Amino acid sequence: SQTIHQWPATLVQPVGSPLSLECTVEGTSNPNLYWYRQAAGRGLQLLFYSVGIGQISSEVPQNLSASRPQDRQFILSSKKLLLSDSGFYLCAWEGAASTEAFFGQGTRLTVV
Amino acid sequence: AQRVTQPEKLLSVFKGAPVELKCNYSYSGSPELFWYVQYSRQRLQLLLRHISRESIKGFTADLNKGETSFHLKKPFAQEEDSAMYYCALSGYAGNMLTFGGGTRLMVKP
Repeated sequence: SQTIHQWPATLVQPVGSPLSLECTVEGTSNPNLYWYRQAAGRGLQLLFYSVGIGQISSEVPQNLSASRPQDRQFILSSKKLLLSDSGFYLCAWEGAASTEAFFGQGTRLTVV
Repeated sequence: AQRVTQPEKLLSVFKGAPVELKCNYSYSGSPELFWYVQYSRQRLQLLLRHISRESIKGFTADLNKGETSFHLKKPFAQEEDSAMYYCALSGYAGNMLTFGGGTRLMVKP
């Protein structure tokens, strides 16, 4: 069966520090991968979308970047965090032949 | 561009009352519409999709292309329905999911 792992679950980082959130999927190949941010009062915002290795679409210009070094690995990064980067980040995957997305448990990021 | 709008951030009803969570969308083609739900301390998960025309946990949603709406309905709300509900749209190109802002449903005893 397919599973999705996202870590860490919580993270407190100082302003200006780098960020790396990792998401991996098991039990499927060539999934579509997503990074969403769930900010208070703003719902779910799509940040990045990937249909394959090295293929990243950015939906919102921001301080973050994403990479997909392997088929089932999706990384969310920042070189220098801002206070406004605080939020709840969700990774999700979707099979190429499916229209249902499966979400990770999320990472609560607090930038202080 | 595709967009999903959920006009209500919070909906509070009493147990046994009917509930309707509104969702409107804009998309130039024929979209696929979904409702996702996030219960307290659980993952966001799919509740239902319009192509299945199914009823899940008593919830139904009908795609109205004329009004570009996909409202989620349940005739008799239960306390365990309290959760965050997201309407989502997947366009034809690439299946990119776009979510609405979410509606928090609170069912009071």
